[in-house]
Amino acid sequence: SQTIHQWPATLVQPVGSPLSLECTVEGTSNPNLYWYRQAAGRGLQLLFYSVGIGQISSEVPQNLSASRPQDRQFILSSKKLLLSDSGFYLCAWSEKGSYFYEQYFGPGTRLTVT
Amino acid sequence: DQQVKQNSPSLSVQEGRISILNCDYTNSMFDYFLWYKKYPAEGPTFLISISSIKDKNEDGRFTVFLNKSAKHLSLHIVPSQPGDSAVYFCAAGRYGGSQGNLIFGKGTKLSVKP
Repeated sequence: SQTIHQWPATLVQPVGSPLSLECTVEGTSNPNLYWYRQAAGRGLQLLFYSVGIGQISSEVPQNLSASRPQDRQFILSSKKLLLSDSGFYLCAWSEKGSYFYEQYFGPGTRLTVT
Repeated sequence: DQQVKQNSPSLSVQEGRISILNCDYTNSMFDYFLWYKKYPAEGPTFLISISSIKDKNEDGRFTVFLNKSAKHLSLHIVPSQPGDSAVYFCAAGRYGGSQGNLIFGKGTKLSVKP
């Protein structure tokens, strides 16, 4: 069966510090991968998606970036965090060719920028 | 512009009664719709989906109804249980391309009271 891991689970970082969040998927190959953010009182905002190694598409311009160095690894980064980057970050995967492209989410990372 | 709208931020229901969660969309090109359930500090979990060529899909206590002419879908939970208390997200997607991107609503918080 497939599993998706995210770490860390929680993170408190000062403004201006760098960020690296990691997501890995097991039990599948060549998945689509996604990064979402859920800010307080808001829905799920798609930040980045990737259909393959090195292929990243950005949905929202911001000071965040994403990379996919391996097939089942997806990394969310920032060089300098802003207060507005606080939120709940979720990684998800979907199987190519599935009928509904249902996405399966990881446990999330709670980021607080102070 | 919000393409998927959940206009009720919260809903309270008595245990054993029916819960009806609503979702409206503006893009008639959506091909499929999904419902997700999310507990605090966890990732959303996939509940049920429906293709735009159908008007109903049922899975145990969960039934999704789609009214294409009204661009409206609803999730019915019968009977409601306290463990159903969570935030429910409606999502929509289109075929074409390989990325399987979904557009999410802002969610409705369901509280089922014993």
